[in-house]
Order: sequence, then structure tokens, then C-alpha cells
Amino acid sequence: DTAVSQTPKYLVTQMGNDKSIKCEQNLGHDTMYWYKQDSKKFLKIMFSYNNKELIINETVPNRFSPKSPDKAHLNLHINSLELGDSAVYFCASSPRPFGGYTFGSGTRLTVV
Amino acid sequence: GENVGLHLPTLSVQEGDNSIINCAYSNSASDYFIWYKQESGKGPQFIIDIRSNMDKRQGQRVTVLLNKTVKHLSLQIAATQPGDSAVYFCAENFPGREETSGSRLTFGEGTQLTVNP
Repeated sequence: DTAVSQTPKYLVTQMGNDKSIKCEQNLGHDTMYWYKQDSKKFLKIMFSYNNKELIINETVPNRFSPKSPDKAHLNLHINSLELGDSAVYFCASSPRPFGGYTFGSGTRLTVV
Repeated sequence: GENVGLHLPTLSVQEGDNSIINCAYSNSASDYFIWYKQESGKGPQFIIDIRSNMDKRQGQRVTVLLNKTVKHLSLQIAATQPGDSAVYFCAENFPGREETSGSRLTFGEGTQLTVNP
């Protein structure tokens, strides 16, 4: 079983569309994250949820809205997609707030 | 082979040689550090970690060294193999209210390691 799974793996969409990326972890972790990786491989945190509560919200346009229906799921909804949103988005989870992450395999978003 | 300086995005080594990947971290208050390996098309995978009360930690074929005086972290890979080819990231944790605030791992820019047969 995949520990942290994201869907879809690839997403190609037009500017202005709204899309969602889903993430689920079966590790029993309390904390989940969304990271964005740009074309230069730089990983930057976007959001963090601990037990369904938002605890980190970096400077991200409000077109990005995370949703955590339960502690095993953290979804990312993006409104009015722009070309600059093209990147690989990684979901991750950790067993407690202070600990290493287990990453998903990423969602490559391409906005055309 | 070794990368030097604050940022060198690529390191090329011969199979069987030792590799040293360097990383300069930013926050002197960081108390936990991790090295991740990211293969093409995959998410980053945990390799080894070290807490700030240590200066060296060894794993299987990997060693992490921490020099808090100069805020420097290195990853040494012994007898580098083709399967070690990947991008390697160091990450630092900013301490906070860990019980509620969450781990705030900040990643470095990554080094692409290429192992030549």
C-alpha cells in the first residue's frame, strides 16, 4: 500500500480553470503538508494541517484553498489557474509536528 | 567528488568513489536536519537525519556531518553507485511550538548527483 498517495499524477488544464488535487495518507500521521516544487527543483511549503486544523499558511495566493475533511486527507483546490501555477505539487505527512516527512509521488500540473 | 560553496547544482562522480554533498543552512536556531533523495519522477525520500546536539550520524553507506559554528551540513555517500543518481536536498527545522505549530522544514536548493559507470 502506498503510504502517501496523490491523485492525479499529471494534470494539464487551461488558464482560468478550477482544479483539485487529492492526497491521502495511511500512516496514521497527524500532520499533513502541501509543497510546491518549481522548475529549478526548489521545494517551498504552502500549507500544513495538524489534526484537520490549518497551522501553516505561507504567502500563497488565495486562489489556493486546502481542505482537510479528516486527518488522513488533505486536498488542494486551485481557482482561476494561471500559467505560473505550473509546477509539481507534493503532499507529505509527518508522525507528529516535529519529525521527518513522508512524501507522495507528486502531481505535475501544467497550465496552458 | 564534492560540491563546494553555497550552491553548486551538479556533482558528477565515478562509480565506486565517495561523494560529498554540502549544504549551508540559514537559521542558527534550527535544531533538526534531514537529507532527502529525489529520483526523477518521484517524491523526496528520507535518507538520514541529525539533531543539533550531535555533529555526526552514520547510516548504511551514508554519513551526515553537522557544523553548527558555520551552519554547514554535509552528506557523505560511500562507494557511490549508479542507483545513487538523484537530486539531494538538505532540510532544516525551525523550532517552534512543536505540539501545535507543525514541523517547519525548509529545504535547500538541491544538488544533482550523477554517477558515471
